[in-house]
Amino acid sequence: EPEVTQTPSHQVTQMGQEVILRCVPISNHLYFYWYRQILGQKVEFLVSFYNNEISEKSEIFDDQFSVERPDGSNFTLKIRSTKLEDSAMYFCASSGGDGNTIYFGEGSWLTVV
Amino acid sequence: GQNIDQPTEMTATEGAIVQINCTYQTSGFNGLFWYQQHAGEAPTFLSYNVLDGLEEKGRFSSFLSRSKGYSYLLLKELQMKDSASYLCALGRSGAGSYQLTFGKGTKLSVIP
Repeated sequence: EPEVTQTPSHQVTQMGQEVILRCVPISNHLYFYWYRQILGQKVEFLVSFYNNEISEKSEIFDDQFSVERPDGSNFTLKIRSTKLEDSAMYFCASSGGDGNTIYFGEGSWLTVV
Repeated sequence: GQNIDQPTEMTATEGAIVQINCTYQTSGFNGLFWYQQHAGEAPTFLSYNVLDGLEEKGRFSSFLSRSKGYSYLLLKELQMKDSASYLCALGRSGAGSYQLTFGKGTKLSVIP
């Protein structure tokens, strides 16, 4: 069964460092997303991406965040200067043409120290 | 804005049936989704409702009443592996994407 894959599964970084989280969405999907979940809290929407541009973003997705689809398969989330409060599980997700069913990757656990 | 309420925790017995409720207040949405999330893992899609009524999918069923702002997830023949958090989410489409707003989830513990 096709799945969304993410790397790394876990990353520890120092405050102020840049981090890039990588994702390979399901191959025939058109819509790509990043969500995050701080430990013990609910899953929160960060950004959606369609047709090579951001279609929506939340208040969380400020100027320190950026997304990119550098080639035909990868979808990345960059955090320019990490803060302690960025520590969370980051989920990549994708959906097909109808956009209705969103499939999540296994997540990248980011710890900022 | 969207406000989604679910019970924080529930406990049920193996082999039994459990109903997890979700109420919401929102200005509009396209579909209501249910996801399962085991601790430390990704949310896994279970079911969604666009129209009012019951959607059945094996041991899982989901119900939606838009007029009452209410949904539930029904799990039958509970198994130990069903111990997980169950997330209610409202889906809204717009600007070429589909955005999910999640509730805090209901942690279900299945006991022998």
